[in-house]
Amino acid sequence: SQTIHQWPATLVQPVGSPLSLECTVEGTSNPNLYWYRQAAGRGLQLLFYSVGIGQISSEVPQNLSASRPQDRQFILSSKKLLLSDSGFYLCAWSPNRSGNYGYTFGSGTRLTVV
Amino acid sequence: DAKTTQPPSMDCAEGRAANLPCNHSTISGNEYVYWYRQIHSQGPQYIIHGLKNNETNEMASLIITEDRKSSTLILPHATLRDTAVYYCIVRVANYGGSQGNLIFGKGTKLSVKP
Repeated sequence: SQTIHQWPATLVQPVGSPLSLECTVEGTSNPNLYWYRQAAGRGLQLLFYSVGIGQISSEVPQNLSASRPQDRQFILSSKKLLLSDSGFYLCAWSPNRSGNYGYTFGSGTRLTVV
Repeated sequence: DAKTTQPPSMDCAEGRAANLPCNHSTISGNEYVYWYRQIHSQGPQYIIHGLKNNETNEMASLIITEDRKSSTLILPHATLRDTAVYYCIVRVANYGGSQGNLIFGKGTKLSVKP
């Protein structure tokens, strides 16, 4: 069966520090991968998606970047965090083939920038 | 931009059916209706999806009107654990690109009360 892992679960970082959040998927190959963010009291916003190694699409301009160095690994990064980067970050995957498939989400990382 | 309209909040008594409405008056012929829910501080969970026929699974039933401009998610016997934000989303089938990305709106906060 397929599983998705995100870590860390919680993170407190000072303003201006770098960020690296990692997401890995097991039990499938060539998945579509996604990063979402949920700011406090707000909805889920799609940040990045990837349909293959090295292929990253950004949905919104921001202080963050994403990379996919391996087939089942998706990394969210920042060189210098802002207070506005605080939020609940979720990774998700879906099969990369035509058809009707739902997304499976990870358990999320709660980031607080102080 | 979310293509759906949902009430911001609803209450339901434990053990009763919860009926969550969703309007999607601009839905296209190739778009499906998906429902997800997000329990506090967790990742969204897939519930059900449909195109034009009513659908039922172990979690819920989905009723789609004949003109497909609205739908209702039914939780037949709501429990306290069903308290969550419920998202109604319309999207095309996944083709590996942005066309099928899940875009979340604000959802309906369902509170199941004892």
